[in-house]
Amino acid sequence: GDSVTQMEGPVTLSEEAFLTINCTYTATGYPSLFWYVQYPGEGLQLLLKATKADDKGSNKGFEATYRKETTSFHLEKGSVQVSDSAVYFCALGQTSGSRLTFGEGTQLTVNP
Amino acid sequence: NAGVTQTPKFQVLKTGQSMTLQCAQDMNHNSMYWYRQDPGMGLRLIYYSASEGTTDKGEVPNGYNVSRLNKREFSLRLESAAPSQTSVYFCASSVGISYEQYFGPGTRLTVT
Repeated sequence: GDSVTQMEGPVTLSEEAFLTINCTYTATGYPSLFWYVQYPGEGLQLLLKATKADDKGSNKGFEATYRKETTSFHLEKGSVQVSDSAVYFCALGQTSGSRLTFGEGTQLTVNP
Repeated sequence: NAGVTQTPKFQVLKTGQSMTLQCAQDMNHNSMYWYRQDPGMGLRLIYYSASEGTTDKGEVPNGYNVSRLNKREFSLRLESAAPSQTSVYFCASSVGISYEQYFGPGTRLTVT
């Protein structure tokens, strides 16, 4: 079945550092891929998405490129801020009618 | 639009008590979900409803029941609460089963 694997956390960075959170997936066909963010005490929010190979999703300075050859959807940001401290979830969705599959989440802490 | 709303926001129960968590969405979505999130970040799917009139078990359905009251509302019932059900509960909705999900703010439940 489908699965999503995220890099283990927690990840701690200093403000203005470069961020990469790795996400790889196992799935048949051509799933859609998503990144969600969960700020402390809140529900998950959709951060960005990509629906086909080589698509780049972007939002709030975050980017992720759908790489079918490496089955990856790594999240990147060039300069993180303290306000980016949150848990980040990678997810995939198939067109076959099955539910979204979520990764385990990666905790990011950004220190001033 | 309020999006996905959940009530209550906080609840403390004693072992053996029952309660119903309410969820409503105003986005005309077909699919709705209940998750729990325990320390350690991961989401676990309890039940979902792919469309009005249908419900299906997720990964951790034991001890819970659901009702898809109409297209807008999806409730989660704990018949006899146990300390192991202490968790944060999230409701989510989506246009269809394989589309991105939109989450509510969560209900923090403590069972003593």
